[in-house]
Amino acid sequence: QVQLLQSGAEVKKPGASVNVSCKASGYNFDAYGISWVRQAPGQGLEWLGWINAKTGSTYYAHNVQGRVTMSTDKSTKTVFIELRSLTSDDTAVYYCGRDRVPGATGRPDSWGQGTLVSVSS
Amino acid sequence: SYELTQPPSLSVSPGQTARITCSGDAFPLKYAYWYQQKSGQAPVLIIYEDNIRPSGIPERFSGSRSGTMATLTISGAQVGDEADYYCYSTDSSGYFWVFGGGTELTVL
Repeated sequence: QVQLLQSGAEVKKPGASVNVSCKASGYNFDAYGISWVRQAPGQGLEWLGWINAKTGSTYYAHNVQGRVTMSTDKSTKTVFIELRSLTSDDTAVYYCGRDRVPGATGRPDSWGQGTLVSVSS
Repeated sequence: SYELTQPPSLSVSPGQTARITCSGDAFPLKYAYWYQQKSGQAPVLIIYEDNIRPSGIPERFSGSRSGTMATLTISGAQVGDEADYYCYSTDSSGYFWVFGGGTELTVL
């Protein structure tokens, strides 16, 4: 079955960078895109972007464009999100989500367990 | 940037029909998707492409889209349906996705 296993919680200082990983198993890694979504405490869901696991092409949300990089390591079937210049507004649970069907863009239906990123001085 | 607008909260009695709306300028061209999120859990896709239920989603959940509005309908709402519901769609380019602000459904 599809499994997405995310890395553990992170605590960062303002201005630092964070890298969250999402290790996939149970399906053909190359065939499905991965979205990243976050949820600040008590707030709604926010789409951060999407990566094509086969080609590495990406689309990033406008409000994180320039601070975010999504990448993949096909050898380990892992997807990464790096977010730079962190502020307290980036404190959130970060989720990776696999697209529902191959070739789709940004339509996840299987999720990782979430990774809490806390930014505090 | 593109926005989807939902009511922040809705309250119904058990057995009643709950209708959650979502407005977006690109809806005449783009599908709506709906996610259910219970406290402390990852979202669950409950409707895709306007009105299709994934396997395992109860029939009481249905969706529709007309003009600039998409609607999630929960027929015969149950206490167990209490959750936050998010609409989700893309802007006119098809590449940049956005969630609505979420609707907290209370069934009591």
